[in-house]
Amino acid sequence: QSVLTQPPSASGTPGQRVTISCSGSTSNIGRNTVNWYLQLPGTAPKLLIYNSNQRPSGVPGRFTGSKSGTSASLAISGLQSEDEADYYCATWDDSLNGPVFGGGTKLTVL
Amino acid sequence: QVQLQESGPGLVKPSETLSLTCTDSGYSISSGDYWGWIRQPPGKGLEWIGSTSHSGSTYYNPSLKSRVTISLDTSKNQFSLKLTSVTAADTAIYFCARHTIASPDSHTGIYNWFDPWGQGTLVTVSS
Repeated sequence: QSVLTQPPSASGTPGQRVTISCSGSTSNIGRNTVNWYLQLPGTAPKLLIYNSNQRPSGVPGRFTGSKSGTSASLAISGLQSEDEADYYCATWDDSLNGPVFGGGTKLTVL
Repeated sequence: QVQLQESGPGLVKPSETLSLTCTDSGYSISSGDYWGWIRQPPGKGLEWIGSTSHSGSTYYNPSLKSRVTISLDTSKNQFSLKLTSVTAADTAIYFCARHTIASPDSHTGIYNWFDPWGQGTLVTVSS
């Protein structure tokens, strides 16, 4: 059971906009910034969004992050086949005194 | 540029100690960052194990703290993970990563993220 809750799956067609949610609590998302990681099959996770809405160099603007209260969201616009991957949210948890991850969302591009 | 690579045995016997090393070929681990380990059981999600810094500050996942030691070897630009008394439940892909942790002000809270990651190494616990 993960500290952060994500839907196990999401899907969309090419060109569509998809949103993935991440729900936490006042001890984690409610107080700290959120990150999103993308994991392609058989590879290591890659940082996609940090500080809730910042993109590292090289990440397309199609990926946007937001946070409100104890929840966060990742939006992917102009969905492409190469976006098919697992997506994880993460943040710092003050009770754990360390980072926590969501259970991951498998995105399928139909 | 940070480039991380995990190394160590791919098979460990139950009750023994899992030992892995992460080598950074492009960046000094003596910088102000933290260096961490994360694992992923086959087909499952990510679990943070712990992180440590050159200053000696260390964070461990409470669920693993009694069995984990993470340390730096600045002379080799490496950091290591030791996990004692392993069981089949410790079978996972183990990733090392640079861990940025900051707390600019109480209003913003704590920033933290892992970037970059090593490619990961599968460790199987079996007799």
